Amino acid sequence: DTEVTQTPKHLVMGMTNKKSLKCEQHMGHRAMYWYKQKAKKPPELMFVYSYEKLSINESVPSRFSPECPNSSLLNLHLHALQPEDSALYLCASSHPERGGVGQYFGPGTRLTVT
Amino acid sequence: DAKTTQPTSMDCAEGRAANLPCNHSTISGNEYVYWYRQIHSQGPQYIIHGLKNNETNEMASLIITEDRKSSTLILPHATLRDTAVYYCIVRDNTDKLIFGTGTRLQVFP
Repeated sequence: DTEVTQTPKHLVMGMTNKKSLKCEQHMGHRAMYWYKQKAKKPPELMFVYSYEKLSINESVPSRFSPECPNSSLLNLHLHALQPEDSALYLCASSHPERGGVGQYFGPGTRLTVT
Repeated sequence: DAKTTQPTSMDCAEGRAANLPCNHSTISGNEYVYWYRQIHSQGPQYIIHGLKNNETNEMASLIITEDRKSSTLILPHATLRDTAVYYCIVRDNTDKLIFGTGTRLQVFP
């Protein structure tokens, strides 16, 4: 299994809602990532988890709250988002100890904040 | 900030080789060159990476100049399914991938 799955595929939420994005992989990878991608722009790194611990936070606003319950799962909790947070949210995973191996990306969740 | 510079767009005829250049003049000795591509509405896909030597796999070849200040990704026989945005990334020993603006490759019949 070389797949990273993300749910839901699409999400529409109001600015007062609380929702969560989910990411799952069963490749035994111990590093997992969240990226944000605006239309016609490259992906931007948000968070990195290594061995279930948050290792990198790229100064992301606190309305985005990541969680790594176990080595296969990664969540992104969303609260009080703004319309400008509408984007494609990508999850990825990799072997942190294998520095030369690339990251595997999921298909993304397309988020619209109304 | 991204440490790479790529042309905004390129065209290639189907069946011909696509050669995508990348400049990374400030690359350090322990930094790798990675290539990813992103087909419309999908997540990025890893293609290939290298440090100093040229590399080849089932998808592509990577040619890195001797001074390591530039590289070229070669798709030997481009198909319509290779139409995508191709990202050249310089990666250090952290877990961070910093994507640049990439090259939009259009393969035409």
